[in-house]
Amino acid sequence: GAGVSQTPSNKVTEKGKYVELRCDPISGHTALYWYRQSLGQGPEFLIYFQGTGAADDSGLPNDRFFAVRPEGSVSTLKIQRTERGDSAVYLCASSPQLGVYNEQFFGPGTRLTVL
Amino acid sequence: DQQVKQNSPSLSVQEGRISILNCDYTNSMFDYFLWYKKYPAEGPTFLISISSIKDKNEDGRFTVFLNKSAKHLSLHIVPSQPGDSAVYFCAASDSGGSNYKLTFGKGTLLTVNP
Repeated sequence: GAGVSQTPSNKVTEKGKYVELRCDPISGHTALYWYRQSLGQGPEFLIYFQGTGAADDSGLPNDRFFAVRPEGSVSTLKIQRTERGDSAVYLCASSPQLGVYNEQFFGPGTRLTVL
Repeated sequence: DQQVKQNSPSLSVQEGRISILNCDYTNSMFDYFLWYKKYPAEGPTFLISISSIKDKNEDGRFTVFLNKSAKHLSLHIVPSQPGDSAVYFCAASDSGGSNYKLTFGKGTLLTVNP
């Protein structure tokens, strides 16, 4: 079956611009997670959704970052007034249910470059 | 403050030999540990996990060992194959607390030479 998909695969933008990154989870998965992987680092937790609600957004770096999942399926990560330090690979994962014992399936990521 | 540490950025082994990847953690609340494998331009894929109630878990060529007193775990791959060449991430979670959140190490690039 189809895995987690993320679009675009690459995004180049200029400092100060607004970007949206999209994640399509595996059908039927109720839990969705966003991670950020900076160069030379491991993935870092940003936010997770159980259904439509953002149950924990404690990993978001600041209020320029926002994510939604209005219908409990597709999620969009939104970054306002982008900065060069936002450059990273943004990974989305989904799992059948919430909880670490449920395997998280990752998408290929969106590579964001802020010039 | 890195709570999960993979101190070897890279490892090179010969095909057929054993690969040993190491991971240390500092947070004593972590009780569930996972290894993920990542190929270039792909997302990480789950490989194997271990709960703190065990000290060993085996799945085919992959075995994870956990030493709770040392806060150390290792992944053994025997025999290593060229297709195992990838970045391996160690991850940990507090299953009794924020049990949805994985904390990752920086990864180790494994190269298996034919």
